[in-house]
Amino acid sequence: AQSVAQPEDQVKVAEGNPLTVKCTYSVSGNPYLFWYVQYPNRGLQFLLKYITGDNLVKGSYGFEAEFNKSQTSFHLKKPSALVSDSALYFCAVRDRGDDKIIFGKGTRLHILP
Amino acid sequence: DTGVSQNPRHKITKRGQNVTFRCDPISEHNRLYWYRQTLGQGPEFLTYFQNEAQLEKSRLLSDRFSAERPKGSFSTLEIQRTEQGDSAMYLCASSYPGPSYEQYFGPGTRLTVT
Repeated sequence: AQSVAQPEDQVKVAEGNPLTVKCTYSVSGNPYLFWYVQYPNRGLQFLLKYITGDNLVKGSYGFEAEFNKSQTSFHLKKPSALVSDSALYFCAVRDRGDDKIIFGKGTRLHILP
Repeated sequence: DTGVSQNPRHKITKRGQNVTFRCDPISEHNRLYWYRQTLGQGPEFLTYFQNEAQLEKSRLLSDRFSAERPKGSFSTLEIQRTEQGDSAMYLCASSYPGPSYEQYFGPGTRLTVT
């Protein structure tokens, strides 16, 4: 069965510092991996995805994520955090043989001015 | 705006009543998904359609829940005999077919059962 773990409920980072939001996954085959962001009273917005190829994936708003197959991780990163990055972030996984996406519980990111 | 839209945005109902939500996907997407999200949790898959065909339903989807997509465009999710445990945000998403495509989400319908 597929699963996603986001080990941190909250991450706090000072503005201008680099940020990392952690995600590990479990699938039976090769995964498709996604990051979404949710702002208050809004739906989830797609940030980036890993399909194949380069392990470093770049996405919207300066975010990137690194796929690590040996550690089954897909951590979200940004070199310099903005206060406007404060939101709820979800990691998601999809097995290549499946059509549904499994989401993690989310990590609330607080960027401190 | 050509994004995914959902109506209503908020619904308050009394226990035992029936409710229906509507989702209008992005027009060129033939996949449509329903999720439920409760506080502190990520979205949980409920069901999905390819065109008008409902291809998979989660075990979370009890017999009181039914979804339709009659013409392969908009979709409705009906909950019969609502219970307090049904209170949640109901999210709709759409995508192109194929597992590599990302899903685009609507703003959700927040259901409160009193």
